[in-house]
Amino acid sequence: AQSVTQLDSQVPVFEEAPVELRCNYSSSVSVYLFWYVQYPNQGLQLLLKYLSGSTLVESINGFEAEFNKSQTSFHLRKPSVHISDTAEYFCAVRTPSGSARQLTFGSGTQLTVLP
Amino acid sequence: EAQVTQNPRYLITVTGKKLTVTCSQNMNHEYMSWYRQDPGLGLRQIYYSMNVEVTDKGDVPEGYKVSRKEKRNFPLILESPSPNQTSLYFCASSTPTGPYTQYFGPGTRLTVL
Repeated sequence: AQSVTQLDSQVPVFEEAPVELRCNYSSSVSVYLFWYVQYPNQGLQLLLKYLSGSTLVESINGFEAEFNKSQTSFHLRKPSVHISDTAEYFCAVRTPSGSARQLTFGSGTQLTVLP
Repeated sequence: EAQVTQNPRYLITVTGKKLTVTCSQNMNHEYMSWYRQDPGLGLRQIYYSMNVEVTDKGDVPEGYKVSRKEKRNFPLILESPSPNQTSLYFCASSTPTGPYTQYFGPGTRLTVL
């Protein structure tokens, strides 16, 4: 079985400051890792994903996440946040051999960017 | 435009009054799923469907039913809603092959009085 822990339920940060949203997972086998973002009153959208290869993955809007196998982590970072980044962020994991059914989500981190 | 649509977006109902939340996708995805989102609990899967006429329970199926008669549609049925089903519901569909990136609908906020 796999599980995902998002260590912070709320992260307030000032505009243009850096931010890190933490995600740790538990799995006995290799995994695919995802970050989804949910803007207010919208559904979830895929932000970025790690499947294989380079452990550093980037999104089109400046976020990046690094897969760290030894620490079983997939933390999300952005060097300078904008007001428009205010949203809830979900980390998710599934195994490569598993089915679509076996996607497990964390409990979410609400990022609030303050002016 | 590729999308997942849900209706209604908001619904207030009373205990015991049957309701259906519709979900439709235009991406020809085999896999579809329903989640509920509650504060502090993230997303929990209610039911999923691997293809037409193939459905199965997720993590929290009690009190819900689904059907998959057509590939594009996957309605969620609450035959006798109760207040503990007050939640935000999301439908999702997925690419037919790995890594199964999920595409989500806009959500349905349900309140059961």
